[in-house]
Amino acid sequence: RKEVEQDPGPFNVPEGATVAFNCTYSNSASQSFFWYRQDCRKEPKLLMSVYSSGNEDGRFTAQLNRASQYISLLIRDSKLSDSATYLCVVKRSMYSGGGADGLTFGKGTHLIIQP
Amino acid sequence: SQTIHQWPATLVQPVGSPLSLECTVEGTSNPNLYWYRQAAGRGLQLLFYSVGIGQISSEVPQNLSASRPQDRQFILSSKKLLLSDSGFYLCAWSVFGTVETQYFGPGTRLLVL
Repeated sequence: RKEVEQDPGPFNVPEGATVAFNCTYSNSASQSFFWYRQDCRKEPKLLMSVYSSGNEDGRFTAQLNRASQYISLLIRDSKLSDSATYLCVVKRSMYSGGGADGLTFGKGTHLIIQP
Repeated sequence: SQTIHQWPATLVQPVGSPLSLECTVEGTSNPNLYWYRQAAGRGLQLLFYSVGIGQISSEVPQNLSASRPQDRQFILSSKKLLLSDSGFYLCAWSVFGTVETQYFGPGTRLLVL
């Protein structure tokens, strides 16, 4: 099983709709989770962290289900500018000294918002 | 504010040629530094990370190497490029001791022919 798995999509969604996608992770000891956004041919940027109790940032809601080992991202009232690839990211456990843990990135889910 | 620079933006190199990609960070001290590669249709793969000058850890065996000659400078190199080295190379930094929020540079697109 891959460390972080996502449905690659693409998800074609009309503007104004609500869209949700999930991500599963294999390491039950993972502690921290994030969603990054990557526009076409650009660098990834942090969208939001995912907290155990779930969290919201404007139109975006992230949730974590530790029992089933998945996280989700919900986008409400989608905008054309939401079109991008959304990367699910999991912080790995400490594997060496020096304070440098690592992030494992999923391959991303491609979202296309259509007018 | 902190900024991260990478150059060149695009590079086309023949197989067997050497490579040197540079990354510099401004506005922060003693950052963790990372090199990632994103190949077509694949996720981000961590290649190297560094927690300080001269301290490099390699994630995967390959014909690439990294160096950190200065606190805010990170260099990715190869003596002889392979076709499989083509990809989008991203440098990132995070506050020392944390990895949660990583800030990526604009990246270098490398095509090896």
